Amino acid sequence: QVQLQESGPGLVKPSETLSLTCTVSGYSISSGYYWGWIRQLPEKGLEWIGNIYHSGSTYYNPPLKSRVTISVDTSKNEFSLNLSSVAAADTAMYYCARGSMLRGFDYWGQGALVTVSS
Amino acid sequence: QSALTQPPSASGSPGQSVTISCTGTSSDVGGFNFVSWYQQHPGKAPKLMIYEVTKRPSGVPDRFSGSKSGNTASLTVSGLQAEDEADYFCSSYAGSNNYVFGTGTKVTVL
Repeated sequence: QVQLQESGPGLVKPSETLSLTCTVSGYSISSGYYWGWIRQLPEKGLEWIGNIYHSGSTYYNPPLKSRVTISVDTSKNEFSLNLSSVAAADTAMYYCARGSMLRGFDYWGQGALVTVSS
Repeated sequence: QSALTQPPSASGSPGQSVTISCTGTSSDVGGFNFVSWYQQHPGKAPKLMIYEVTKRPSGVPDRFSGSKSGNTASLTVSGLQAEDEADYFCSSYAGSNNYVFGTGTKVTVL
């Protein structure tokens, strides 16, 4: 059974970098699919942040592209999100998920709440 | 890209049907048959309910069905049950390896 688990600091100061890691079990990242980050602002909808493919190629949501980096560590079967220069507006629940063009995001982590505050 | 437009709320009595719309553009919903729908209960992660516009993952009841016409996709929940009360989000491939989500619809079972 595929499982994903987010980890990282729950509190980040403004202007600093938000860093989260998603550890995958039950499936090898290098075997296929893409691995994505999605966030949910408080009482709001979902926002796609970006994906990293098993090949290492990355694709980011244009409004966030200048601040986002997604990387993968296949030896640890995990992938990570870095979001730089954060502000209060980046306070959200951050989810990692497995996806494909055909099936959408079929497995999700439980989410990590990140608050941006001094 | 802008978020796909969904009605903020929808409701129905047990046993009835409710349909949620998801309106985009020819660059996303209208341009590709890669629309998916997610159910989210409070405090939980989203769950995939429909993919490729009409397909259901294993384990999703056949009460859930999807369709698309032009730039608008729809999710219909037939035979509403109390457990169907949740938020629902659509998502679409938007070309160039980009994806966009909908604004979300809160479904209430009266």
